[in-house]
Amino acid sequence: GAVVSQHPSWVICKSGTSVKIECRSLDFQATTMFWYRQFPKQSLMLMATSNEGSKATYEQGVEKDKFLINHASLTLSTLTVTSAHPEDSSFYICSASPLSGSANEQFFGPGTRLTVL
Amino acid sequence: KQEVTQIPAALSVPEGENLVLNCSFTDSAIYNLQWFRQDPGKGLTSLLLIQSSQREQTSGRLNASLDKSSGRSTLYIAASQPGDSATYLCALLIQGAQKLVFGQGTRLTINP
Repeated sequence: GAVVSQHPSWVICKSGTSVKIECRSLDFQATTMFWYRQFPKQSLMLMATSNEGSKATYEQGVEKDKFLINHASLTLSTLTVTSAHPEDSSFYICSASPLSGSANEQFFGPGTRLTVL
Repeated sequence: KQEVTQIPAALSVPEGENLVLNCSFTDSAIYNLQWFRQDPGKGLTSLLLIQSSQREQTSGRLNASLDKSSGRSTLYIAASQPGDSATYLCALLIQGAQKLVFGQGTRLTINP
C-alpha cells in the first residue's frame, strides 16, 4: 500500500516551453501533497505544499508564477514548470500524506527528471 | 531554523561489516524522524520512522535510534551487503508544520 506515482519519469524540453508533471496517490487519499526539487549530489529541498482544493503554499525563494501547482482531487497534484529554462533542470519528487493514519508519514513518488535544453 | 547534518558524507566499507550512519539536528521540537534510502536517479524509499516519543525502531538488519535531547539519530546497518549501496537520508518532520527537513545524505558503498 501507500504507492505514489509520477508521470512522466523523465522529460526533455526546449527553453521557453512549459512542462507538466503529475503526482498521483494510487491506493490512498491525500489531502496534502508536497513537491521537492533535488539538484545533482544535493539533498531534497521542499518547493511547495499542496492542499486539495486550496492554493499551494510556496517556500521562500520559489516563484509561484513559475511553478504552478494544482491539487484538484484527493489523489492528484500537478506541477507545471512555466517558461522553463536550463537552470530549471533538476529532479522533481512529490510526496503525499495519507488522509488517514497518525504518523504524519509522507510517501514519495519515483521522481521526474527534467532537462531543459 | 532547523538544520540537519549527516556525517559522514560518504562511506565505503567491505561487505559484512556493521556500520553506523549519523544524523544530527539543531531543534528538538520534532514530530518524527525518518530514514530514507535513495538509489541513483530514483525516488525515496522509507526505511524507518521514529515518532518523537520513541527511542528506536528496527526493521530486519536496520536499527534506528533517536535521542532528542542531544539532537541525534543513528542508523545501524548489520552485516552489510553490496545491495545496501545507496544514499541514505534522514529527515525530520517539524512540530506544528508538515515540512520534512532533509539532511544532505550519506553515500554508502559496500564493496564485495
